[in-house]
Amino acid sequence: QQQVKQSPQSLIVQKGGISIINCAYENTAFDYFPWYQQFPGKGPALLIAIRPDVSEKKEGRFTISFNKSAKQFSLHIMDSQPGDSATYFCAAKTGGTSYGKLTFGQGTILTVHP
Amino acid sequence: SAVISQKPSRDICQRGTSLTIQCQVDSQVTMMFWYRQQPGQSLTLIATANQGSEATYESGFVIDKFPISRPNLTFSTLTVSNMSPEDSSIYLCSDQEGTGDYGYTFGSGTRLTVV
Repeated sequence: QQQVKQSPQSLIVQKGGISIINCAYENTAFDYFPWYQQFPGKGPALLIAIRPDVSEKKEGRFTISFNKSAKQFSLHIMDSQPGDSATYFCAAKTGGTSYGKLTFGQGTILTVHP
Repeated sequence: SAVISQKPSRDICQRGTSLTIQCQVDSQVTMMFWYRQQPGQSLTLIATANQGSEATYESGFVIDKFPISRPNLTFSTLTVSNMSPEDSSIYLCSDQEGTGDYGYTFGSGTRLTVV
């Protein structure tokens, strides 16, 4: 019930292409969905987050699409760059942005070739 | 957002010994979290630590194995006790400074190898 399932496990994209990572959840009490980016030897850092009252949120080259009925959300990275090569985690949380713990997906290793 | 200093960054330890990992936050934060991350894997929450109260452990993690201290609003420690090779992992601390989209910050992690 608390799981967040993320796919694909790894992704290779050419520079300038679009990277798409998908997540699905079962717990309908989840109401806050952040995405994190992690570089080797570093802790995860917040990229972008969405709440279920909107279907899409865009910040620069990063867009979250959210489908509440399907209980799915995805991260789109437009014009992917080699510097975007990292591990990406989706996450979910109950209680909106109030105090509480995150449940993470399994992670996607993104490689962007020059 | 806050900055978290975590140390040590890595260590190699003998089985049966204990290691204490420290996290220092540069501002007062309400909640801190401790995670375990196998290389290339996701983050698994070990426990939530609030200042002035006992830590809350997730299923599969117990206080005797992973005692946590939270003496004030800027500091927390996680001890990995009586270590075995299965404890080899990356341990990360995180804080939640407040509510809102940018409330969580992570330390850089401690890479632990038990031999």
